[in-house]
Amino acid sequence: SQTIHQWPATLVQPVGSPLSLECTVEGTSNPNLYWYRQAAGRGLQLLFYSIGIDQISSEVPQNLSASRPQDRQFILSSKKLLLSDSGFYLCAWSVKRGRGKNIQYFGAGTRLSVL
Amino acid sequence: DQQVKQNSPSLSVQEGRISILNCDYTNSMFDYFLWYKKYPAEGPTFLISISSIKDKNEDGRFTVFLNKSAKHLSLHIVPSQPGDSAVYFCAASAYNNNDMRFGAGTRLTVKP
Repeated sequence: SQTIHQWPATLVQPVGSPLSLECTVEGTSNPNLYWYRQAAGRGLQLLFYSIGIDQISSEVPQNLSASRPQDRQFILSSKKLLLSDSGFYLCAWSVKRGRGKNIQYFGAGTRLSVL
Repeated sequence: DQQVKQNSPSLSVQEGRISILNCDYTNSMFDYFLWYKKYPAEGPTFLISISSIKDKNEDGRFTVFLNKSAKHLSLHIVPSQPGDSAVYFCAASAYNNNDMRFGAGTRLTVKP
């Protein structure tokens, strides 16, 4: 069975510090990978998605970047965090889109507080 | 732009009654629709989905209805239970896209 791991669960960082959130998927190969952010009281905002190694699409211009150095590893980074980067970050995976189902499966999330 | 909209931020129902959560979309290319359930401090979990070739899909207490002409879908939970209390997200994807668009979510509270 497939599993998705995301860490850390909680992170408190000072403004201006770097960020690295990691997500790995097990039990599947060549998945699509996604990073979302849920700001307080708001819905899910797609930040990045990747269809393969080193293939990253950015949805929203921001202070963040993403990388996919391995097939099942997706990393969210920032060189200098802003207060507005606080939120709940979610990693997700799905199989390659085809006719029919396109279900994304989410990790447990990382609560990031920038102080 | 917000292609998937959930206009009700919250809904409160009595245990045993029906919960109806609504969702509207604007992109006519969407062909697959999903509902996710999310508890605080956890990732969303997939609940039920429907393809655009259908107008109804049922799974136990959960039924999703799709009205393509109105670009509207709804999730019915019958009977509602206190454990159903969570935030429900509507989502949609298009055949030729790899991404998915989510609504802002509706917080359901089921009172005992």
